Amino acid sequence: AQSVTQLDSQVPVFEEAPVELRCNYSSSVSVYLFWYVQYPNQGLQLLLKYLSGSTLVESINGFEAEFNKSQTSFHLRKPSVHISDTAEYFCAVGGSYIPTFGRGTSLIVHP
Amino acid sequence: NAGVTQTPKFRVLKTGQSMTLLCAQDMNHEYMYWYRQDPGMGLRLIHYSVGEGTTAKGEVPDGYNVSRLKKQNFLLGLESAAPSQTSVYFCASTRGGGTEAFFGQGTRLTVV
Repeated sequence: AQSVTQLDSQVPVFEEAPVELRCNYSSSVSVYLFWYVQYPNQGLQLLLKYLSGSTLVESINGFEAEFNKSQTSFHLRKPSVHISDTAEYFCAVGGSYIPTFGRGTSLIVHP
Repeated sequence: NAGVTQTPKFRVLKTGQSMTLLCAQDMNHEYMYWYRQDPGMGLRLIHYSVGEGTTAKGEVPDGYNVSRLKKQNFLLGLESAAPSQTSVYFCASTRGGGTEAFFGQGTRLTVV
């Protein structure tokens, strides 16, 4: 069995401030971890993923996430957010044939 | 690249009506999924398929049926729509276990 907990349903932040979106997981099989982003009225799209190797993974738009096996966490961070980062963010765990998603965190960036 | 395509994008149904949502993927993925998204509930799995001709129930299957007659298509049916089925429906596909999920743009369904 696998599960994902996103600890914050909503995270408000001012533009150019740093942000961290928290994600904890549990899985009884090999762990593959993902962050997806959903912009308004769109489907989910992959932001970044951890499959193996370096525990720090990065996206092309400045987000990064670190796989921490001992704390079973995969928190998403960005050192300086933009208005355009306003979206819903979903953490997900793979490993079985059914990806399991967290409930999502709404990142709201204020000017 | 088409990826995953859902039709229709919007639909309004009256209680008791039926409809079918179509999901098509052109990536030759084995696994396909139907989710519903409701405020504060995240994504909940309705049904899924691990290959052509196979389907299985997810977390919230009641009131829905599915079929996967062709590998590229996954149909979600509502036989008798209820207001509780008002939601945004997403189809997704993956190549295999532990791989990236590709999502359609969603179908916004309102049942009145």
